[in-house]
Amino acid sequence: DAMVIQNPRYQVTQFGKPVTLSCSQTLNHNVMYWYQQKSSQAPKLLFHYYDKDFNNEADTPDNFQSRRPNTSFCFLDIRSPGLGDAAMYLCATSRPTSGRNNEQFFGPGTRLTVL
Amino acid sequence: AQKITQTQPGMFVQEKEAVTLDCTYDTSDQSYGLFWYKQPSSGEMIFLIYQGSYDEQNATEGRYSLNFQKARKSANLVISASQLGDSAMYFCAMRVYMEYGNKLVFGAGTILRVKS
Repeated sequence: DAMVIQNPRYQVTQFGKPVTLSCSQTLNHNVMYWYQQKSSQAPKLLFHYYDKDFNNEADTPDNFQSRRPNTSFCFLDIRSPGLGDAAMYLCATSRPTSGRNNEQFFGPGTRLTVL
Repeated sequence: AQKITQTQPGMFVQEKEAVTLDCTYDTSDQSYGLFWYKQPSSGEMIFLIYQGSYDEQNATEGRYSLNFQKARKSANLVISASQLGDSAMYFCAMRVYMEYGNKLVFGAGTILRVKS
């Protein structure tokens, strides 16, 4: 089945130690998104890629970076995780069109713990 | 700026009964899309239903229907015949058009608990 895969599902890192979360998709969608969802809050968009074009949200901290080496893969790098970065990180994909076909397909998420 | 408001932090419903989850939105755009997603405790976001601003009919997907009242800017989710597996967090979201891709702006969510 076509899907969005995130690895690992659970990640534990130490304060200040760089960490990378990965996302892959078999849907061949042009657009990939990274959302941060803190406990009991709504998901918040960090950035997205349209093909190779990177689009950062204005309030995304510099501590968060992303790479998209090809259509299928996208990575979220947290350079120096702080305690406040503990959250669920959701990857999503979509076609760049409007209407019903613009539904975003989400991966299962990676739950990040910072010690 | 686009904004989604979900005023019910938590809801209870008896199994097999219907429940309505409220969502109001604010936008100055003429063309927009509204989504409902379900998030179980495992964390994945599951798409439930979509309503486009120009759709004349209310959207339905199985047991889910969307009560779209454009003049009131509301897009309430109705779940009929609730099941224990419906217990989850439910998010209403609006699609915001960007030059490349479209982002979702989410409401705060409503936790639904189905009682047996």
